[in-house]
Amino acid sequence: NSKVIQTPRYLVKGQGQKAKMRCIPEKGHPVVFWYQQNKNNEFKFLINFQNQEVLQQIDMTEKRFSAECPSNSPCSLEIQSSEAGDSALYLCASRGLGSQNTLYFGAGTRLSVL
Amino acid sequence: QQQVRQSPQSLTVWEGETAILNCSYENSAFDYFPWYQQFPGEGPALLIAIRSVSDKKEDGRFTIFFNKREKKLSLHITDSQPGDSATYFCAARNTGYQNFYFGKGTSLTVIP
Repeated sequence: NSKVIQTPRYLVKGQGQKAKMRCIPEKGHPVVFWYQQNKNNEFKFLINFQNQEVLQQIDMTEKRFSAECPSNSPCSLEIQSSEAGDSALYLCASRGLGSQNTLYFGAGTRLSVL
Repeated sequence: QQQVRQSPQSLTVWEGETAILNCSYENSAFDYFPWYQQFPGEGPALLIAIRSVSDKKEDGRFTIFFNKREKKLSLHITDSQPGDSATYFCAARNTGYQNFYFGKGTSLTVIP
């Protein structure tokens, strides 16, 4: 069973509002990913970290999305000004280092932007 | 461009039958392929994974068959159970890079 903890499970925001979600990666996993899963089940990679450093991020993330993984605190993903198209399941995943280490996902945060 | 493709989009089998889920990929540099199982309202859970140096990986009722030349793989679920009803995602990764690419999933329904 995955030990990646995501909060909250559900988040409802109005358009233009700020939305923030958190993730505690599995213990000992230094690499953290955020994905957006839409209603068509498509996974969209947003950003990933190794320890506190950003490894990769998509252009979208640089505009309204921000994320961080501070030491000794949960990782977070924040949408500054929510849009209807942001409604999705936001998945946090973590992995260890090494070529065979795969991703372990949390249960996700379901964001609904009204 | 979709890096990982899955078929069929949905599949229905009777309890006890073998379900076969297909996956293909574009990038010949991909060398690690995990399959995930996702139930409604939950995050994806790792089911089984294979590296490109192998052509078969078995774990209980779940088996991955891998064809590197054709860039195809398949997940076989033998003796399907109603509890296997879920969406299954094929993913791929190039070990030299961090990101995983996911297919759009196959929704499996097992009828008792």
